[in-house]
Amino acid sequence: SQELEQSPQSLIVQEGKNLTINCTSSKTLYGLYWYKQKYGEGLIFLMMLQKGGEEKSHEKITAKLDEKKQQSSLHITASQPSHAGIYLCGADAGTSYGKLTFGQGTILTVHP
Amino acid sequence: DGGITQSPKYLFRKEGQNVTLSCEQNLNHDAMYWYRQDPGQGLRLIYYSQIVNDFQKGDIAEGYSVSREKKESFPLTVTSAQKNPTAFYLCASSRGLGSSYNEQFFGPGTRLTVL
Repeated sequence: SQELEQSPQSLIVQEGKNLTINCTSSKTLYGLYWYKQKYGEGLIFLMMLQKGGEEKSHEKITAKLDEKKQQSSLHITASQPSHAGIYLCGADAGTSYGKLTFGQGTILTVHP
Repeated sequence: DGGITQSPKYLFRKEGQNVTLSCEQNLNHDAMYWYRQDPGQGLRLIYYSQIVNDFQKGDIAEGYSVSREKKESFPLTVTSAQKNPTAFYLCASSRGLGSSYNEQFFGPGTRLTVL
């Protein structure tokens, strides 16, 4: 079965700093999804990547999928307290439509 | 507005009791999912359904049961056989089979505490 490893597990940054969260898969990724979660709430969809080398941006968040399609990174530029939360990556292994495997999550704290 | 609703937000149960968590969606999605979230473990799939009247076990189905009688609804029952049911439960839906875009949309979650 596919496994996803996120790093780091937690991250504390000062407001205004840039940061990167990584998601590494044990198998080829057919679709990679990034989500954000506030504690005690549901997940909010951020971005989806499907093609090797693909890069997408939304406001100050950029996600990339490497050429070999086994690793993705999420980069936040000039972090703000509103970016704080848990970031999770989810992977579609291509074996069962819609079924995703999730990483364990990265807890981001942004100090004002 | 389209979305997914879960109820209740908080649920308390005595040991030995069964309890049912509600999940409703009005997104016209074919597929629905139930996840369990524990601290530091991400999301683990309990059950999923890709079409009405059909569902499959996920990675941690023991002690849980589901039904899918209507497209909009996918209730989860936590039975007394589940040894450690205290957790945060999340329901999700997606377009399902044949779709190129399988992002899942999540409900707000139900926090279950066994007393």
